[in-house]
Amino acid sequence: ETGVTQSPTHLIKTRGQQVTLRCSSQSGHNTVSWYQQALGQGPQFIFQYYREEENGRGNFPPRFSGLQFPNYSSELNVNALELDDSALYLCASQPKGFSWQFFGPGTRLTVL
Amino acid sequence: KQEVTQIPAALSVPEGENLVLNCSFTDSAIYNLQWFRQDPGKGLTSLLLIQSSQREQTSGRLNASLDKSSGRSTLYIAASQPGDSATYLCAVRPLETSGSRLTFGEGTQLTVNP
Repeated sequence: ETGVTQSPTHLIKTRGQQVTLRCSSQSGHNTVSWYQQALGQGPQFIFQYYREEENGRGNFPPRFSGLQFPNYSSELNVNALELDDSALYLCASQPKGFSWQFFGPGTRLTVL
Repeated sequence: KQEVTQIPAALSVPEGENLVLNCSFTDSAIYNLQWFRQDPGKGLTSLLLIQSSQREQTSGRLNASLDKSSGRSTLYIAASQPGDSATYLCAVRPLETSGSRLTFGEGTQLTVNP
C-alpha cells in the first residue's frame, strides 16, 4: 500500500473527447509525476509538478495538461483524445527529501 | 537522450531456480536506479533503489547491483517462487538540477512455474 490513490479505475471515451484523471497522495508528498504506459511498454514520463508548478515535461503534446493542488491531489487532463491515448496512466508522488517515488494503481483509459 | 534496455523480454523458469534480470542504460549521469515489480493491469511496486554512489542493495531474496561506469544493473532473485511471476521494470533518474523524472525500460516478464 503506497498511499497513492487514483480515480477512476477504468474509463472509456471516444475519439475527440476530453478526459480528467485524478490522483491523491499523502501529506508532505509535494512532487507528483504522471506517466503513460501503453500495453507491453514501459511507462513514459508525461510531466511533473512541484509545489503546484510544472517543473519538467516529457515528449507529449500540449493537449496533455495538469494541475497540482495544495491538498496533495493532482489532475491529468487530456483534450482531443486520440486512439493512441489508450493506455494505463500512472501517477507517482515523492516526499520532500526522499529518493523513492510511490506509484498509484493507475487508471486504464480506452479510447474508441 | 537516456535509453534503458532490459534483457530478456520474457523469462520462464521452474520454481526454486536462481535468476538474473539485466538492465542497461546509455547515459551514466544518473542520480539513482530503481527496480519495480508490476502485476498484470496494476501499478508499480518499488523493490529496490540504488543511489549512484552505491554498488548494490539487498532486500530478502532480491539483490540489485549497479555498475554506473558500464551502464548496467542486474536484479538477482534467489530461490524463485510462483508468486514472483510479474513484469520487472528498471528505471533511472537522471542527474539533473531539478525534477526527478524516471526513464523506464520495457520490462522483463517473468513466469515461475510450480
